[in-house]
Amino acid sequence: AQSVAQPEDQVNVAEGNPLTVKCTYSVSGNPYLFWYVQYPNRGLQFLLKYITGDNLVKGSYGFEAEFNKSQTSFHLKKPSALVSDSALYFCAVRDKTGFQKLVFGTGTRLLVSP
Amino acid sequence: DVKVTQSSRYLVKRTGEKVFLECVQDMDHENMFWYRQDPGLGLRLIYFSYDVKMKEKGDIPEGYSVSREKKERFSLILESASTNQTSMYLCASSPEPPGLVNTGELFFGEGSRLTVL
Repeated sequence: AQSVAQPEDQVNVAEGNPLTVKCTYSVSGNPYLFWYVQYPNRGLQFLLKYITGDNLVKGSYGFEAEFNKSQTSFHLKKPSALVSDSALYFCAVRDKTGFQKLVFGTGTRLLVSP
Repeated sequence: DVKVTQSSRYLVKRTGEKVFLECVQDMDHENMFWYRQDPGLGLRLIYFSYDVKMKEKGDIPEGYSVSREKKERFSLILESASTNQTSMYLCASSPEPPGLVNTGELFFGEGSRLTVL
């Protein structure tokens, strides 16, 4: 079965510093990978996706993610964090069996301090 | 913009009550989903539907049922609520039919936080 792992429950970073939120995947074949963000008391919002092509994917709000096949990782990155980036981040993979639904990780809380 | 609307943001119910969670999308999407979100467990798929009157079990369907009588509406039903169903429930939709290579982007509602006492 396809799965993703987010090894960190929480990431703390100071405003202006670069941030990384980690995600590793376990899939058969080529993965379809996604990042979503959830702000407090809100639903999830799509940030970016990797389907094929360039390993560096750019998304909303200045975020980007790097697909690394040899390390089976898809880490979310931003060069300069903002306090408003504080939220819950979910990595997800497309399950290619059956209906191809999304399988989500457990989430990583990002706290950006002023 | 795509809008997925969940009728209730916060609900408090008693054990044994029948609970309906309603979800409506306005973009004519074929696929609709119900997830529950719990701390440390992420999002887990309860049920999904890829067409009117069609439904498929997700990873944790026990204790739940669904109804999709119209394309835009997908309801989650707790026949007899229990305290372990206290959770945040998220509805989502997507435009692609199954079986195609597609983007996989889901559009989520704001969530319904259910407390069962």
